[in-house]
Amino acid sequence: GAVVSQHPSWVICKSGTSVKIECRSLDFQATTMFWYRQFPKQSLMLMATSNEGSKATYEQGVEKDKFLINHASLTLSTLTVTSAHPEDSSFYICSARTLGGTYEQYFGPGTRLTVT
Amino acid sequence: KQEVTQIPAALSVPEGENLVLNCSFTDSAIYNLQWFRQDPGKGLTSLLLIQSSQREQTSGRLNASLDKSSGRSTLYIAASQPGDSATYLCAGVITQGGSEKLVFGKGTKLTVNP
Repeated sequence: GAVVSQHPSWVICKSGTSVKIECRSLDFQATTMFWYRQFPKQSLMLMATSNEGSKATYEQGVEKDKFLINHASLTLSTLTVTSAHPEDSSFYICSARTLGGTYEQYFGPGTRLTVT
Repeated sequence: KQEVTQIPAALSVPEGENLVLNCSFTDSAIYNLQWFRQDPGKGLTSLLLIQSSQREQTSGRLNASLDKSSGRSTLYIAASQPGDSATYLCAGVITQGGSEKLVFGKGTKLTVNP
């Protein structure tokens, strides 16, 4: 149980275009989903926390107009990177927390974004 | 600022050896500690979660301890196998702005040689 999927697993896009990444909890309902970014040989950095049906809370230094997060249902959250630039190239990982459960987050397999 | 430090950054051992990975944190607000495994280009697999009321957790060949007073946690791997090769991340749980968050270390890259 507690499986989280991400789609796509990797994507290449041109500079200036937008890319949407989906995060789904497959066998549980997640009131809260988290989006992280990981650069090579660096730790995961929390970008934002999204609660179902409400606006996401962004960490300091993360542009909310550039990284659009939508958490429209208890099983789906999306991250849209708008007007992507090469410096946005990174590994994006989402996680989900179970409804009414303990703290523990369950992580997706990640999405590798390359902006050319 | 919360910081989580993992030492060493990389470790190479022969198969069968017992080993210890270290994690330290500076913020006393960290109350739970979680260990993860990450394979290259993949997401995270949760290994062990130690809650503030616990001092250690065990799962198979893995044992993790937590000492909040010293700000340290260790992950002990017994009888290591080549399949244990991966990057191991520790993350502290804090409450910030009314929500719980994970603060990650940079990880220890483990290589177990056959």
